[in-house]
Amino acid sequence: EAGVTQSPTHLIKTRGQQATLRCSPISGHTSVYWYQQALGLGLQFLLWYDEGEERNRGNFPPRFSGRQFPNYSSELNVNALELEDSALYLCASRLTRQETRYGYTFGSGTRLTVV
Amino acid sequence: EDQVTQSPEALRLQEGESSSLNCSYTVSGLRGLFWYRQDPGKGPEFLFTLYSAGEEKEKERLKATLTKKESFLHITAPKPEDSATYLCAVRFSGGYNKLIFGAGTRLAVHP
Repeated sequence: EAGVTQSPTHLIKTRGQQATLRCSPISGHTSVYWYQQALGLGLQFLLWYDEGEERNRGNFPPRFSGRQFPNYSSELNVNALELEDSALYLCASRLTRQETRYGYTFGSGTRLTVV
Repeated sequence: EDQVTQSPEALRLQEGESSSLNCSYTVSGLRGLFWYRQDPGKGPEFLFTLYSAGEEKEKERLKATLTKKESFLHITAPKPEDSATYLCAVRFSGGYNKLIFGAGTRLAVHP
């Protein structure tokens, strides 16, 4: 069974540009979570999508946005990039209402560097 | 404020030297405490979920325990391949299914 896949692996952008990050959840998983992991910091919750709808968002400005497609894959968009947006962006999926004893499965992340 | 605190920040062990990592939390209505392992440049890898005080889970050299306010990850006779960052996260009532993570403990096991 394929795990959570994220693309691209690495992304280099200039300050002020826009970045688009993609996530494909495990087949059958309907919930997708996005996290930001800046260097030396813990994982910070960004967004939760379930069944195509945004269900919750963390303490991030509106220039962080995303969507979930009918096949449950998801996209994270970051507009007007700032240097401090440089981080590892992680996507996780789980089957909605699945027993959480199985945890949330993470992808390997997209390393975004803003120069 | 809901938060998760891990200690120590970093731990250096000799191969075979057992130790414990701590995760304390202040949330209302715990609905699961999760331990993950993260290798450099990779995503977190799920280890355990604990739900209630007194619960224990084991996997190879790792054993996780849970009390009402904290969890411990015990590492018995560690090997160099156990070197990684260990992350603790909690899910709680009113948290909209998100996980709140601690900052992690960086473990280095030397031969």
